Amino acid sequence: DAKTTQPNSMESNEEEPVHLPCNHSTISGTDYIHWYRQLPSQGPEYVIHGLTSNVNNRMASLAIAEDRKSSTLILHRATLRDAAVYYCILRLSNFGNEKLTFGTGTRLTIIP
Amino acid sequence: GAVVSQHPSWVICKSGTSVKIECRSLDFQATTMFWYRQFPKQSLMLMATSNEGSKATYEQGVEKDKFLINHASLTLSTLTVTSAHPEDSSFYICSAVTGTAIRYYGYTFGSGTRLTVV
Repeated sequence: DAKTTQPNSMESNEEEPVHLPCNHSTISGTDYIHWYRQLPSQGPEYVIHGLTSNVNNRMASLAIAEDRKSSTLILHRATLRDAAVYYCILRLSNFGNEKLTFGTGTRLTIIP
Repeated sequence: GAVVSQHPSWVICKSGTSVKIECRSLDFQATTMFWYRQFPKQSLMLMATSNEGSKATYEQGVEKDKFLINHASLTLSTLTVTSAHPEDSSFYICSAVTGTAIRYYGYTFGSGTRLTVV
């Protein structure tokens, strides 16, 4: 499985944008980039995913580098409720039932 | 959206007893369910993958006789921790997916079960 590399931790001020980076230099052409986040004492929550083009949804935006070797999850205006561990995961396809393998993720702290 | 319900949210049991954790997909049929374990300050570790009506596939190092998984229907999977010991104390999380829902909802996770064995 292609691996991802994320910073262990990041801090951001409340109400400011947050850019969470993820490196995946060994990504294959069919790997989708998934982002999940886990709030304290909760199961993970799907955030966003994409293949090549940038993606937007109600929670966040995903910016994917042209060579696809890195991506950035963008929270446009951080709130205290965005404090969580964010996981960047590669998945082989957009269908099927393959397992998700979690790395160590980035622990995001929001400063009031 | 897709919702997965996991029960109980926490449980305390005596050493040597067994504990059953349920994972239900409420508004979709989950062809595959996954069970994870998470120790404090660590990431999620996949324990096993179960497909409805067939035996679970366990990850290397996970004792299949200790962690019994049953996926009898498309909406219910159970994890039974047999003869639990204090080292089994952990946060157990299930995840459900159906092949086409991944396009829209990603993987859906339960809220987790905190197991404490005393």
